[in-house]
Amino acid sequence: GAVVSQHPSRVICKSGTSVKIECRSLDFQATTMFWYRQFPKQSLMLMATSNEGSKATYEQGVEKDKFLINHASLTLSTLTVTSAHPEDSSFYICSAPTTSGIPNEQFFGPGTRLTVL
Amino acid sequence: GQNIDQPTEMTATEGAIVQINCTYQTSGFNGLFWYQQHAGEAPTFLSYNVLDGLEEKGRFSSFLSRSKGYSYLLLKELQMKDSASYLCAFLDSNYQLIWGAGTKLIIKP
Repeated sequence: GAVVSQHPSRVICKSGTSVKIECRSLDFQATTMFWYRQFPKQSLMLMATSNEGSKATYEQGVEKDKFLINHASLTLSTLTVTSAHPEDSSFYICSAPTTSGIPNEQFFGPGTRLTVL
Repeated sequence: GQNIDQPTEMTATEGAIVQINCTYQTSGFNGLFWYQQHAGEAPTFLSYNVLDGLEEKGRFSSFLSRSKGYSYLLLKELQMKDSASYLCAFLDSNYQLIWGAGTKLIIKP
């Protein structure tokens, strides 16, 4: 099946710093990738849709200037949390749908746990 | 509008059978997914239903009734490793996934 990798898997940073998270589709091309955030004991919350070669589409309430998304190639999307604060501590997961098989079946990366001190 | 609902938490006994229900409302529908998510991990695909009826895959089965806006995930011969959250999500008319809040399943010996 399709594989999506995510890096880093875990990051701890000081308040005010920026953190970049990479999401890669390893064996397929993804013109669209999705970024989710998940707080403890809560469900997935879609943050934004990353589109290759164009601007990302952000969900209501998500600050686009704080969560910068770049989808520079068909296999890589990055999420940068700028000036991170403790309330940004969360589990960030990316996913990508494939163009074959079940329509819009999402393949998820392993997630990145961000802790902001 | 659109909404999707599933129980917050369920408890079952090892070796038993459990059914997790999911109801949804939407004007456009292009299929329903079930995902399993263990704590601290990403979701993994379990099933996809786009037509009415039961899809069986080993110990797991998924059912869909489009007229009722209803699906369930049936887990048989429960094992301790089945303790996880189970997420249902449907594809709307724009092929966007609408996620339920997830059902935490607790398996007791």
